[in-house]
Amino acid sequence: AQSVAQPEDQVKVAEGNPLTVKCTYSVSGNPYLFWYVQYPNRGLQFLLKYITGDNLVKGSYGFEAEFNKSQTSFHLKKPSALVSDSALYFCAVRDREKRGNNRLAFGKGNQVVVIP
Amino acid sequence: GAGVSQSPSNKVTEKGKDVELRCDPISGHTALYWYRQRLGQGLEFLIYFQGNSAPDKSGLPSDRFSAERTGESVSTLTIQRTQQEDSAVYLCASSLVSSGEQFFGPGTRLTVL
Repeated sequence: AQSVAQPEDQVKVAEGNPLTVKCTYSVSGNPYLFWYVQYPNRGLQFLLKYITGDNLVKGSYGFEAEFNKSQTSFHLKKPSALVSDSALYFCAVRDREKRGNNRLAFGKGNQVVVIP
Repeated sequence: GAGVSQSPSNKVTEKGKDVELRCDPISGHTALYWYRQRLGQGLEFLIYFQGNSAPDKSGLPSDRFSAERTGESVSTLTIQRTQQEDSAVYLCASSLVSSGEQFFGPGTRLTVL
């Protein structure tokens, strides 16, 4: 089975402060990991992914995420948050070792609120 | 087109009616996915198409749900005899290969009265 946990319902941060959105995953093999962002009344937009290689992944809009195998985590980070970063963020995982597994398992999402 | 498109953007229907939702993937994308997003919840996988392979239907919640895809292009998701619990946003996504990132459409918001 593959699953993702996003433990916080809402993350509030002041504009200009660092932003962290937490994600832990569970797979039987090795993971592909993804972050998506959803703005109001819009579809999900891809932010970044971890496939293999460097544990620190850089993505769109200044976001980055660090893959930590020992902690089974893939937290999303941004050094300085903007009000426009306020949105719903989803972490997703796929077990790449499982033959024929083509689905992503999504977390329930975190609402990020950046306060001006 | 530049991205995944879905139609209609909004659909209001009466309980017991059938609805058909359409997805146009990005040209050349071989993989196509349907998800359901209930209010305040994450994405629930419904069905996956990859090229000419048999679709992965394991996420469909009941036999009232079905989906088809014509080759590597348009897909339709059909919900028969709609129920109020079917109310949700239905999202379609496509990817270049099954291991790639998925690109999502804007969704169809279905409301069953």
